[in-house]
Amino acid sequence: NAGVMQNPRHLVRRRGQEARLRCSPMKGHSHVYWYRQLPEEGLKFMVYLQKENIIDESGMPKERFSAEFPKEGPSILRIQQVVRGDSAAYFCASSPQSGTPDTEAFFGQGTRLTVV
Amino acid sequence: GEDVEQSLFLSVREGDSSVINCTYTDSSSTYLYWYKQEPGAGLQLLTYIFSNMDMKQDQRLTVLLNKKDKHLSLRIADTQTGDSAIYFCAESGAGGFKTIFGAGTRLFVKA
Repeated sequence: NAGVMQNPRHLVRRRGQEARLRCSPMKGHSHVYWYRQLPEEGLKFMVYLQKENIIDESGMPKERFSAEFPKEGPSILRIQQVVRGDSAAYFCASSPQSGTPDTEAFFGQGTRLTVV
Repeated sequence: GEDVEQSLFLSVREGDSSVINCTYTDSSSTYLYWYKQEPGAGLQLLTYIFSNMDMKQDQRLTVLLNKKDKHLSLRIADTQTGDSAIYFCAESGAGGFKTIFGAGTRLFVKA
C-alpha cells in the first residue's frame, strides 16, 4: 500500500505562471488536507476536502488559490499567477475518515514550489 | 487567534534525554500531537494526547500536558543520532482535521 504520493517533488515557476500540485491519497482514504510550510515556519492549514466536496477552505487565500478532489484521480491544488511569496513547501495528508487521533492522517513528502 | 509556540533549536549528546517544549493558546484544544519531520520528508505522527490526560508514555517517548498552563512537552529518553529531525507540536479541536502547528524544534544529536 503506497503512501500519500505528491508530485512533482520540486516545481519551479516564473512569476505570473500557474502551478498545479497533485496529491494521490493512500488507498482507501477519502479525506485530503493541504498544508503550506513557509521557510522556518510550521505547517499552516489550507483546505480539507472529501471526494467532490470542499469541507473547509478557511486557510486558503481568497484569490488565485483553488483546490479540488474529483471522484476519479488525485487532488489538485492550483495556484494561478504565482508570486514570489507563494514559494513554500506544500504538504498533502490523507485519512480514511474525519481526523481523529485514531484515524491518523498520513503526510506526503511535499512539493517544494519555487517562484523565480 | 490560535497559536502554538516552540523553541527553534535543541542540541543534546547521544544517550542523554531530550525535552522539547511547546505552549498553545487555544483552551478548547482537544488533541495535542507531536510530529517528526526528517530532511526532505513529510511529517510522521509520533504520538498524541487527549486534553483530559496529564501524561502518556510510549517506549522512549513521554508526553506531559499541563492544561492549566497550556504547556506540552515531549521527552525522548536515550536520544540517538537517528532522532535528529524537526519536531512539530500541534493542536486541534474536536474533529481533529484543522490542526494548528508550531514552527518546529530542530533537534541536533551529537555523537
